[in-house]
Amino acid sequence: EDKVVQSPLSLVVHEGDTVTLNCSYEVTNFRSLLWYKQEKKAPTFLFMLTSSGIEKKSGRLSSILDKKELSSILNITATQTGDSAIYLCAGRGSYNTDKLIFGTGTRLQVFP
Amino acid sequence: DAGVIQSPRHEVTEMGQEVTLRCKPISGHDYLFWYRQTMMRGLELLIYFNNNVPIDDSGMPEDRFSAKMPNASFSTLKIQPSEPRDSAVYFCASSLGRGRETQYFGPGTRLLVL
Repeated sequence: EDKVVQSPLSLVVHEGDTVTLNCSYEVTNFRSLLWYKQEKKAPTFLFMLTSSGIEKKSGRLSSILDKKELSSILNITATQTGDSAIYLCAGRGSYNTDKLIFGTGTRLQVFP
Repeated sequence: DAGVIQSPRHEVTEMGQEVTLRCKPISGHDYLFWYRQTMMRGLELLIYFNNNVPIDDSGMPEDRFSAKMPNASFSTLKIQPSEPRDSAVYFCASSLGRGRETQYFGPGTRLLVL
């Protein structure tokens, strides 16, 4: 059965700290991995990664996939209180399906 | 673009009642997904449609759940009869599909079954 596992489940840091969130996947015919940020409402898209190994960056956030280790990390540098959210990772399998398998998320809390 | 629209945003009902959740996908998106999110199980895919046709409903918990997509701009998720364990946030998402597109989520419906 396909599965995505995230760690840690929860993280508490102070503003300015750097954090690394982890995601490991076991997805049949893996195609891509997506990261979402969920604050109080709906998940919003951050990055999509493939086995190409190309790092994606957006401001203080960056992410990369390690196809050998079947894992991905999401880095946030110089954290701010606005980064507090649940970060979700999802794996997508075969090209002919658009089904995403989500992990349970990492809850990040950033205190001033 | 208005994004994915869901209604109602909150629903409180009593056990045994029928609940209908509604979703309007982003115009032009031909894939629509229904998810359920709980603290215990995280975000789970219930069913998804392509061009109004159900493609994968393996996540639908049981016969009490049903989903329809009568046209490209509207879908419903119905629970009948509802039970307390159905309490969760239900999200609808849409995408252009083809395995390369991200899914865009609606604001969700928070359902509480008493």
